Amino acid sequence: GAVVSQHPSRVICKSGTSVKIECRSLDFQATTMFWYRQFPKQSLMLMATSNEGSKATYEQGVEKDKFLINHASLTLSTLTVTSAHPEDSSFYICSAIGQPDGYTFGSGTRLTVV
Amino acid sequence: GENVEQHPSTLSVQEGDSAVIKCTYSDSASNYFPWYKQELGKGPQLIIDIRSNVGEKKDQRIAVTLNKTAKHFSLHITETQPEDSAVYFCAAQKGGFQKLVFGTGTRLLVSP
Repeated sequence: GAVVSQHPSRVICKSGTSVKIECRSLDFQATTMFWYRQFPKQSLMLMATSNEGSKATYEQGVEKDKFLINHASLTLSTLTVTSAHPEDSSFYICSAIGQPDGYTFGSGTRLTVV
Repeated sequence: GENVEQHPSTLSVQEGDSAVIKCTYSDSASNYFPWYKQELGKGPQLIIDIRSNVGEKKDQRIAVTLNKTAKHFSLHITETQPEDSAVYFCAAQKGGFQKLVFGTGTRLLVSP
């Protein structure tokens, strides 16, 4: 089946630094990828929709300049958390679609900002 | 926009019992309804899905039912096992490459 690889699985960074998370579709081309944020014991909150070759569409309330999304190829999307602060600590999950309704999720990235 | 409600938030059952999780959605244009299982520290895994042209779908111990008129869909797990313990999410989507809207999740605990 379709596989989405997400790296790193865990990252700890200092406050004020930037962190990049990668999401790769390994065996299919993904024209659309989604980035979610999940707080402990809560549901997945959609942050943005990423389409290959175009600017990402951000959900209301999500800071575009803080969460930079790049979808430069049909197999790779990246999320960069810029000038990270402790309140950005969370579980970030990507999802990719290769065909209609064919969502595949990455394994998630636990970000801790100290 | 679409809103998905999910109940219960927690569910405890004994091994071998059945478990039922229910969701309602608000947008009648939604036509794809997947269910995901999420284990601690991992991404969601699709366990079963149903489309609006089908009323019921079954895969071994797991089944999903859909009532389009009432905008309800439910997950049924029979003969539960301890390894079924996880958080389960329902979702709704309008088809194609549209975004998924998730329910709030149900924490299922199966005791041996």
